[in-house]
Amino acid sequence: KQEVTQIPAALSVPEGENLVLNCSFTDSAIYNLQWFRQDPGKGLTSLLLIQSSQREQTSGRLNASLDKSSGRSTLYIAASQPGDSATYLCAGANAGNNRKLIWGLGTSLAVNP
Amino acid sequence: GAVVSQHPSRVICKSGTSVKIECRSLDFQATTMFWYRQFPKKSLMLMATSNEGSKATYEQGVEKDKFLINHASLTLSTLTVTSAHPEDSSFYICSARDAGTSGGVFGPGTRLTVT
Repeated sequence: KQEVTQIPAALSVPEGENLVLNCSFTDSAIYNLQWFRQDPGKGLTSLLLIQSSQREQTSGRLNASLDKSSGRSTLYIAASQPGDSATYLCAGANAGNNRKLIWGLGTSLAVNP
Repeated sequence: GAVVSQHPSRVICKSGTSVKIECRSLDFQATTMFWYRQFPKKSLMLMATSNEGSKATYEQGVEKDKFLINHASLTLSTLTVTSAHPEDSSFYICSARDAGTSGGVFGPGTRLTVT
């Protein structure tokens, strides 16, 4: 059974820092892994999706990696800005079973000016 | 890009009434839709998965007679919270996916408050 864990639960950094958010999963037979952003009281914004055959995906200042053998994914945010403050969620999908997503509890990020 | 809408965005209802939430895929055909609920400061909890034209598959612990899901067309799924109680107050989010894509597109969510 797939389980997804995110560390840390909360993170506060000064503006400009490069930071890494961690996501671990228990079942290496993962179909894909996604990172999402959620602002308070809002829906989800998909940031990056990594297929099981891929090692990383990049979008702007964001880079997500996937290491199936170690059961880990990281989201790297370069040159953080106050506008990056949000909760970041990772979710893994296994093949079959409608590829439903298994969610981590999220990392609440605060970037301080 | 693909867009999913939800209506209403916010709803307040009295205890005992029923509320219907719509989830629409605006520019693609959603063969599969997922319904989630999210408690404050918690992650998403999958409630059910629906494939167009089939009965929804509910997750363990989710009452199918209380949370009625209909996925009658490739662009619309509805979640009806029947005989709502204050403990049903939550943020409900849908996600839609077509047959050819890996990821889903999420709606903006519906905030339900039952008084």
